[in-house]
Amino acid sequence: DAKTTQPPSMDCAEGRAANLPCNHSTISGNEYVYWYRQIHSQGPQYIIHGLKNNETNEMASLIITEDRKSSTLILPHATLRDTAVYYCIVRVVTGTASKLTFGTGTRLQVTL
Amino acid sequence: DAGVIQSPRHEVTEMGQEVTLRCKPISGHDYLFWYRQTMMRGLELLIYFNNNVPIDDSGMPEDRFSAKMPNASFSTLKIQPSEPRDSAVYFCASSFSFSLRGTEAFFGQGTRLTVV
Repeated sequence: DAKTTQPPSMDCAEGRAANLPCNHSTISGNEYVYWYRQIHSQGPQYIIHGLKNNETNEMASLIITEDRKSSTLILPHATLRDTAVYYCIVRVVTGTASKLTFGTGTRLQVTL
Repeated sequence: DAGVIQSPRHEVTEMGQEVTLRCKPISGHDYLFWYRQTMMRGLELLIYFNNNVPIDDSGMPEDRFSAKMPNASFSTLKIQPSEPRDSAVYFCASSFSFSLRGTEAFFGQGTRLTVV
Protein backbone atom coordinates (compact mmCIF):
# COMPACT_ATOMS: atom_id res chain seq x y z
CA ASP A 1 0.00 0.00 0.00
CA ALA A 2 1.11 3.54 -0.75
CA LYS A 3 2.49 5.62 2.10
CA THR A 4 0.70 8.69 3.36
CA THR A 5 1.95 11.90 4.94
CA GLN A 6 -0.12 13.85 7.44
CA PRO A 7 0.66 16.77 9.75
CA PRO A 8 1.19 15.49 13.29
CA SER A 9 -1.29 17.87 14.89
CA MET A 10 -3.91 20.52 14.18
CA ASP A 11 -6.20 22.76 16.18
CA CYS A 12 -9.72 23.82 15.30
CA ALA A 13 -12.26 26.03 17.04
CA GLU A 14 -15.57 24.42 17.88
CA GLY A 15 -18.20 25.11 15.23
CA ARG A 16 -15.64 25.80 12.52
CA ALA A 17 -14.72 23.46 9.70
CA ALA A 18 -11.74 21.20 10.28
CA ASN A 19 -9.73 20.51 7.13
CA LEU A 20 -7.28 17.64 7.50
CA PRO A 21 -4.80 17.17 4.64
CA CYS A 22 -3.14 13.98 3.47
CA ASN A 23 -0.48 13.43 0.83
CA HIS A 24 -0.35 10.10 -1.01
CA SER A 25 1.79 10.89 -4.03
CA THR A 26 2.59 7.23 -4.84
CA ILE A 27 -1.01 6.04 -4.86
CA SER A 28 -1.86 3.43 -7.50
CA GLY A 29 -4.92 3.32 -9.70
CA ASN A 30 -6.50 0.49 -7.72
CA GLU A 31 -6.00 2.04 -4.30
CA TYR A 32 -8.75 3.78 -2.35
CA VAL A 33 -8.29 6.55 0.18
CA TYR A 34 -9.74 5.71 3.60
CA TRP A 35 -10.10 7.86 6.69
CA TYR A 36 -10.43 6.54 10.23
CA ARG A 37 -10.30 8.26 13.58
CA GLN A 38 -9.42 7.07 17.04
CA ILE A 39 -10.84 8.74 20.08
CA HIS A 40 -8.75 8.21 23.18
CA SER A 41 -8.80 4.62 24.47
CA GLN A 42 -11.26 3.43 21.83
CA GLY A 43 -10.85 1.33 18.71
CA PRO A 44 -10.46 3.16 15.40
CA GLN A 45 -13.70 4.25 13.77
CA TYR A 46 -14.36 4.37 10.05
CA ILE A 47 -15.24 7.82 8.67
CA ILE A 48 -15.28 7.76 4.88
CA HIS A 49 -13.49 6.46 1.81
CA GLY A 50 -13.21 7.27 -1.90
CA LEU A 51 -11.45 6.41 -5.14
CA LYS A 52 -11.37 9.56 -7.24
CA ASN A 53 -14.65 11.36 -6.82
CA ASN A 54 -15.45 13.55 -3.85
CA GLU A 55 -17.55 11.82 -1.24
CA THR A 56 -19.83 13.01 1.52
CA ASN A 57 -21.63 11.24 4.33
CA GLU A 58 -23.20 12.21 7.62
CA MET A 59 -19.84 12.51 9.31
CA ALA A 60 -17.56 14.23 6.81
CA SER A 61 -16.61 15.09 3.26
CA LEU A 62 -13.63 13.76 1.36
CA ILE A 63 -12.04 15.85 -1.36
CA ILE A 64 -9.55 14.03 -3.62
CA THR A 65 -7.43 16.03 -6.07
CA GLU A 66 -7.73 15.24 -9.74
CA ASP A 67 -4.29 13.60 -9.85
CA ARG A 68 -5.23 11.66 -6.69
CA LYS A 69 -1.93 12.53 -5.04
CA SER A 70 -3.56 14.22 -2.09
CA SER A 71 -6.87 14.49 -0.28
CA THR A 72 -8.59 16.52 2.42
CA LEU A 73 -11.01 15.33 5.04
CA ILE A 74 -13.50 18.01 6.02
CA LEU A 75 -15.48 18.00 9.26
CA PRO A 76 -17.94 20.82 8.46
CA HIS A 77 -18.79 21.87 12.03
CA ALA A 78 -16.26 20.46 14.47
CA THR A 79 -17.35 19.73 18.03
CA LEU A 80 -15.34 18.86 21.12
CA ARG A 81 -16.25 15.22 20.53
CA ASP A 82 -14.32 15.30 17.26
CA THR A 83 -11.05 15.60 19.18
CA ALA A 84 -9.18 12.48 18.08
CA VAL A 85 -6.32 11.12 15.99
CA TYR A 86 -7.28 10.99 12.32
CA TYR A 87 -5.67 8.44 10.04
CA CYS A 88 -5.47 8.64 6.25
CA ILE A 89 -4.86 5.25 4.62
CA VAL A 90 -4.54 4.16 1.02
CA ARG A 91 -5.46 0.60 0.34
CA VAL A 92 -5.98 -1.93 -2.40
CA VAL A 93 -9.46 -3.35 -2.04
CA THR A 94 -9.59 -6.16 -4.55
CA GLY A 95 -8.49 -9.70 -3.88
CA THR A 96 -7.24 -11.14 -0.64
CA ALA A 97 -4.08 -9.02 -0.38
CA SER A 98 -5.73 -6.00 1.11
CA LYS A 99 -4.09 -4.73 4.25
CA LEU A 100 -5.34 -1.80 6.27
CA THR A 101 -2.10 -0.20 7.44
CA PHE A 102 -2.14 2.81 9.76
CA GLY A 103 0.44 5.60 9.82
CA THR A 104 0.96 8.12 12.61
CA GLY A 105 -2.10 10.22 11.81
CA THR A 106 -3.06 13.80 12.71
CA ARG A 107 -4.02 14.63 16.27
CA LEU A 108 -6.94 17.08 15.98
CA GLN A 109 -7.69 19.20 19.03
CA VAL A 110 -11.05 20.99 18.96
CA THR A 111 -11.20 23.89 21.37
CA LEU A 112 -13.90 26.20 22.72
CA ASP B 1 -25.28 -6.85 15.93
CA ALA B 2 -23.20 -6.08 19.01
CA GLY B 3 -20.14 -5.27 16.95
CA VAL B 4 -16.71 -6.86 17.27
CA ILE B 5 -16.38 -8.31 20.74
CA GLN B 6 -13.00 -8.76 22.40
CA SER B 7 -12.20 -10.41 25.69
CA PRO B 8 -10.86 -9.80 28.18
CA ARG B 9 -10.88 -5.99 28.21
CA HIS B 10 -7.93 -5.91 30.57
CA GLU B 11 -5.30 -8.54 31.31
CA VAL B 12 -2.43 -8.37 33.76
CA THR B 13 -0.04 -11.28 33.74
CA GLU B 14 3.42 -12.17 34.87
CA MET B 15 6.35 -12.49 32.52
CA GLY B 16 6.64 -16.00 31.15
CA GLN B 17 2.94 -16.79 31.37
CA GLU B 18 0.77 -17.68 28.41
CA VAL B 19 -1.78 -15.09 27.36
CA THR B 20 -4.78 -15.69 25.10
CA LEU B 21 -6.80 -12.85 23.63
CA ARG B 22 -10.16 -13.56 22.06
CA CYS B 23 -12.21 -11.98 19.33
CA LYS B 24 -15.71 -12.51 17.97
CA PRO B 25 -16.13 -10.73 14.63
CA ILE B 26 -19.35 -9.28 13.28
CA SER B 27 -21.55 -12.03 11.90
CA GLY B 28 -21.11 -12.46 8.14
CA HIS B 29 -17.78 -10.67 7.96
CA ASP B 30 -15.11 -12.77 6.28
CA TYR B 31 -12.03 -10.66 7.01
CA LEU B 32 -10.50 -10.49 10.47
CA PHE B 33 -7.53 -8.35 11.51
CA TRP B 34 -5.38 -8.29 14.65
CA TYR B 35 -3.55 -5.07 15.57
CA ARG B 36 -1.27 -3.99 18.38
CA GLN B 37 -1.00 -0.38 19.57
CA THR B 38 1.77 1.16 21.66
CA MET B 39 2.86 4.73 22.18
CA MET B 40 6.19 4.04 20.51
CA ARG B 41 5.04 2.11 17.45
CA GLY B 42 1.44 3.22 16.95
CA LEU B 43 -1.08 0.82 15.38
CA GLU B 44 0.64 -2.21 13.89
CA LEU B 45 -1.11 -4.86 11.80
CA LEU B 46 -0.06 -8.25 13.15
CA ILE B 47 -2.02 -10.69 11.00
CA TYR B 48 -5.21 -10.92 9.00
CA PHE B 49 -7.49 -13.74 7.89
CA ASN B 50 -9.86 -14.20 4.97
CA ASN B 51 -12.47 -16.93 5.30
CA ASN B 52 -10.63 -18.25 8.38
CA VAL B 53 -7.35 -18.62 6.45
CA PRO B 54 -4.32 -16.53 7.46
CA ILE B 55 -3.39 -14.31 4.51
CA ASP B 56 -0.52 -12.24 5.84
CA ASP B 57 1.26 -12.78 9.16
CA SER B 58 4.33 -10.71 8.33
CA GLY B 59 3.50 -8.35 11.17
CA MET B 60 3.67 -11.01 13.85
CA PRO B 61 6.71 -9.95 15.85
CA GLU B 62 8.10 -13.30 16.97
CA ASP B 63 7.42 -17.00 17.20
CA ARG B 64 6.02 -16.33 20.65
CA PHE B 65 2.96 -14.91 18.90
CA SER B 66 0.41 -17.12 17.20
CA ALA B 67 -3.12 -16.56 15.91
CA LYS B 68 -5.87 -18.95 14.95
CA MET B 69 -9.32 -18.70 13.49
CA PRO B 70 -10.99 -22.09 13.92
CA ASN B 71 -14.34 -20.86 12.57
CA ALA B 72 -15.98 -17.77 11.16
CA SER B 73 -17.11 -16.50 14.54
CA PHE B 74 -14.01 -16.80 16.68
CA SER B 75 -10.31 -15.97 16.66
CA THR B 76 -7.52 -16.07 19.23
CA LEU B 77 -4.17 -14.37 19.55
CA LYS B 78 -1.80 -16.19 21.85
CA ILE B 79 1.49 -15.05 23.35
CA GLN B 80 3.66 -17.74 24.90
CA PRO B 81 5.76 -16.90 26.83
CA SER B 82 4.77 -13.29 27.45
CA GLU B 83 7.34 -10.54 28.05
CA PRO B 84 7.00 -7.00 29.46
CA ARG B 85 7.58 -5.52 25.98
CA ASP B 86 4.37 -7.21 24.83
CA SER B 87 2.40 -4.77 26.97
CA ALA B 88 0.07 -2.93 24.60
CA VAL B 89 -3.53 -2.58 23.54
CA TYR B 90 -4.54 -5.32 21.12
CA PHE B 91 -7.38 -4.63 18.70
CA CYS B 92 -9.39 -7.00 16.58
CA ALA B 93 -11.32 -5.79 13.52
CA SER B 94 -13.56 -7.40 10.91
CA SER B 95 -15.04 -6.52 7.54
CA PHE B 96 -16.88 -7.91 4.55
CA SER B 97 -15.08 -9.00 1.41
CA PHE B 98 -13.89 -6.11 -0.58
CA SER B 99 -15.90 -5.08 -3.56
CA LEU B 100 -14.91 -2.57 -6.18
CA ARG B 101 -16.21 0.11 -3.85
CA GLY B 102 -14.40 -1.21 -0.82
CA THR B 103 -15.78 -1.73 2.65
CA GLU B 104 -14.87 -0.44 6.06
CA ALA B 105 -13.42 -2.45 8.93
CA PHE B 106 -15.11 -2.35 12.32
CA PHE B 107 -12.92 -2.45 15.40
CA GLY B 108 -13.46 -3.91 18.83
CA GLN B 109 -12.79 -2.01 22.03
CA GLY B 110 -9.43 -3.66 22.48
CA THR B 111 -7.68 -5.68 25.16
CA ARG B 112 -5.20 -3.80 27.32
CA LEU B 113 -2.41 -6.23 28.15
CA THR B 114 0.09 -5.55 30.90
CA VAL B 115 2.95 -7.98 31.44
CA VAL B 116 4.82 -7.46 34.70
